[in-house]
Amino acid sequence: EPEVTQTPSHQVTQMGQEVILRCVPISNHLYFYWYRQILGQKVEFLVSFYNNEISEKSEIFDDQFSVERPDGSNFTLKIRSTKLEDSAMYFCASSETTPRGQPQHFGDGTRLSIL
Amino acid sequence: GENVGLHLPTLSVQEGDNSIINCAYSNSASDYFIWYKQESGKGPQFIIDIRSNMDKRQGQRVTVLLNKTVKHLSLQIAATQPGDSAVYFCAENKEAGGGNKLTFGTGTQLKVEL
Repeated sequence: EPEVTQTPSHQVTQMGQEVILRCVPISNHLYFYWYRQILGQKVEFLVSFYNNEISEKSEIFDDQFSVERPDGSNFTLKIRSTKLEDSAMYFCASSETTPRGQPQHFGDGTRLSIL
Repeated sequence: GENVGLHLPTLSVQEGDNSIINCAYSNSASDYFIWYKQESGKGPQFIIDIRSNMDKRQGQRVTVLLNKTVKHLSLQIAATQPGDSAVYFCAENKEAGGGNKLTFGTGTQLKVEL
């Protein structure tokens, strides 16, 4: 069964450094998402991406965050200058068509630890 | 795993019994709902979904019930197995004008006892 893959599984970074989290969505999917889960909290929406542009973002997704689809298979989340509070699990997801009535399929996440 | 520290509601069931996991959603305009299962160290795994024009939907060993009047969703798992042990999340999406995001609930820890 096709799946969303994320790398690395664990990323340790010094505060203030840039980090890039990588995702390979399911190949025929057109909508891509990033969510995060801070330890002890809910899964929270960050951003959705379609047709090479952001379609929606949350208030969490400030100027320090950016997303990119650099080629036909990868989808990345960049945090420019990491803060301690960015420590969390980051999940990538994709869906085949509009998310209205289509399930989003998630990867197993990247654990980001900011020191 | 990533759920360490979460003070989740916990449901303990005996192997072979049926499980019912409940969820109260917040947005009366939400009209698409999904149940996800999350095992330790894994991402949310799709189980079943339902649109608001339905009250009930069945899958393999799972049934989702939707009560829009009281904004309540439930997941029923028949003949619960040890492999069903996980955290279960409901998620809602508001279709018209609601964009693409899923809003997740806090989750319920299901423990299956042998």
